[in-house]
Amino acid sequence: QVQLVQSGAEVKKPGASVKLSCKASGYTFTSYYIHWVRQAPGRGLEWMGIVNPSGGNTTYAQKFQGRVTMTRDTSTSTVYMELSSLRSEDAAVYYCARSYSYYSWIDFWGQGTLVTVSS
Amino acid sequence: DIVMTQSPDSLAVSLGERATINCKSSQSVLYSFNNKKYLAWYQQKPGQPPKLLIYWASTRESGVPDRFSGSGSGTDFTLTISSLQAEDVALYYCQQYYSTPYTFGQGTKLEI
Repeated sequence: QVQLVQSGAEVKKPGASVKLSCKASGYTFTSYYIHWVRQAPGRGLEWMGIVNPSGGNTTYAQKFQGRVTMTRDTSTSTVYMELSSLRSEDAAVYYCARSYSYYSWIDFWGQGTLVTVSS
Repeated sequence: DIVMTQSPDSLAVSLGERATINCKSSQSVLYSFNNKKYLAWYQQKPGQPPKLLIYWASTRESGVPDRFSGSGSGTDFTLTISSLQAEDVALYYCQQYYSTPYTFGQGTKLEI
């Protein structure tokens, strides 16, 4: 069955970076794009960007340009999302999720990773 | 960016009654080349990731009960639950995948 297993919760200080992972299984890794979407406590969903596991191409939301990097490792079917210069507003649950193409709906989500930003 | 605006922010409906959630996009998400509306609906229950309900504005995802339906034009969309069940209590989000960033509505909280 399809699984997107995300790494565990993180606690970071303001100004630090965090690197989250998302390990895919149950389907052909390179056949689906991976999105990163975050949700601050009690807030809505915010789309951060998309990565093509096949070629590594990425598109980031303008809001995160310069702070976010999405990469993939095809040998382990894992996608990574690194967010730098963390601030308190970055505290959120971060989800990875897949879609079958670039212009497509998300059909499956990971369980989420909680990132806490606190001094 | 395309702004997605949902209404209402919250909604209370009796069991067995109809629930209607609206979603409006700041520009059309209808791609004239294929006549497809690039709009999806998701359901999110507390402590869980979102779950896909509807894509192409009106196509129900496999396994989603047929009491859920979607409709709409290029900018105005509706999610309807024909007969509310207790398990439908959740947050509902629309999302456009017409152009990046793939923006979501702010969410609608559905209660009994």
